[in-house]
Amino acid sequence: DTEVTQTPKHLVMGMTNKKSLKCEQHMGHRAMYWYKQKAKKPPELMFVYSYEKLSINESVPSRFSPECPNSSLLNLHLHALQPEDSALYLCASSQEGASGELFFGEGSRLTVL
Amino acid sequence: DAKTTQPPSMDCAEGRAANLPCNHSTISGNEYVYWYRQIHSQGPQYIIHGLKNNETNEMASLIITEDRKSSTLILPHATLRDTAVYYCIVRGRTSGTYKYIFGTGTRLKVLA
Repeated sequence: DTEVTQTPKHLVMGMTNKKSLKCEQHMGHRAMYWYKQKAKKPPELMFVYSYEKLSINESVPSRFSPECPNSSLLNLHLHALQPEDSALYLCASSQEGASGELFFGEGSRLTVL
Repeated sequence: DAKTTQPPSMDCAEGRAANLPCNHSTISGNEYVYWYRQIHSQGPQYIIHGLKNNETNEMASLIITEDRKSSTLILPHATLRDTAVYYCIVRGRTSGTYKYIFGTGTRLKVLA
């Protein structure tokens, strides 16, 4: 199984809503990533979890709250978002190692009204 | 973080080789170069990676210059399905964790 599964595929939310994006992998990878991608732009790194601990936070606003409940799951909790947060949110995982390949999910497309 | 620079767009005739350049002049000695592609807002797809030596797999070849300041991804016989955005990435490390920072990408259009 070389898949990273993201749910939901599409999400529409209001600025006062609380919602979550979910990501799951069963490849035994110990590093998991969240990226944000705006239209016609490259993916931008948001967070990295390594061995279930938050290792990198690329100065992301606190209205985005990541969580790694176990080594297979990664969540991104969303609260009080702005319309400019509308984007494709990509999850990825990799085996921590000398030349680990990054495996991506298909993304969750978020629209904030 | 090492930055990468790529041309914004390229065209290639179907069946010909597509050569996509990437400049990564600030790369450190132990940082790998990765190439990914993304087709129409799907998740990025891994193509190939390398450190110093040239690499080849079933999808592509990666040529890294001796000083490691630039590299070229070669798709030997481009097909229409290779039309995509191609990203060159230098994998860095922060707090003991690897970071994959995407460059601006090259939009490759394969023409029939």
